[in-house]
Amino acid sequence: NAGVTQTPKFRILKIGQSMTLQCTQDMNHNYMYWYRQDPGMGLKLIYYSVGAGITDKGEVPNGYNVSRSTTEDFPLRLELAAPSQTSVYFCASSRYGRNKNYGYTFGSGTRLTVV
Amino acid sequence: DQQVKQNSPSLSVQEGRISILNCDYTNSMFDYFLWYKKYPAEGPTFLISISSIKDKNEDGRFTVFLNKSAKHLSLHIVPSQPGDSAVYFCAASGSEETSGSRLTFGEGTQLTVNP
Repeated sequence: NAGVTQTPKFRILKIGQSMTLQCTQDMNHNYMYWYRQDPGMGLKLIYYSVGAGITDKGEVPNGYNVSRSTTEDFPLRLELAAPSQTSVYFCASSRYGRNKNYGYTFGSGTRLTVV
Repeated sequence: DQQVKQNSPSLSVQEGRISILNCDYTNSMFDYFLWYKKYPAEGPTFLISISSIKDKNEDGRFTVFLNKSAKHLSLHIVPSQPGDSAVYFCAASGSEETSGSRLTFGEGTQLTVNP
């Protein structure tokens, strides 16, 4: 039972390059999310999806794009990488609805450095 | 506009004593609150949650208290153990209809439990 899997774990990009951060979950969760964590800043929501084919912006969407063609996968695309996108990126998923154990399952993160 | 704030970046306690982590929020639409624990190089993991209809929820050594009038919640860990050393994030959510299951996170508090 893998949960939420993120690849790659580390990446160094040059300014202006682009890349895709991969995220896949095997729990049949409807909701998926992308967060970034900057030092001392907590986690900021980039994009989220409530189901296949549906995505929406979070707090800090500029410079990113997402797609959700399947329930399992929610890739995050960085176009024209900038030093401000240096961060740790976390993908998460959750089951629709509120229950006693309402919470996200997070991946282990992707550490991205833009130089 | 930081809607969830953890004003203490760090906390150090002795093994066996109580750890108290605090969190304040400003959005009165929040009605569900969660705590996550994060170890280095790992994703956050769900710890405990509380609905706004309650003022206390307990799970083993972990208890979360909610004071709605003060818009304040706290996490108590008793007794503290060295393995509890981690970053603790407070998170809040509104209803499914208003927030789509999105969580807003605080900045995190680094807890260090000394043997």
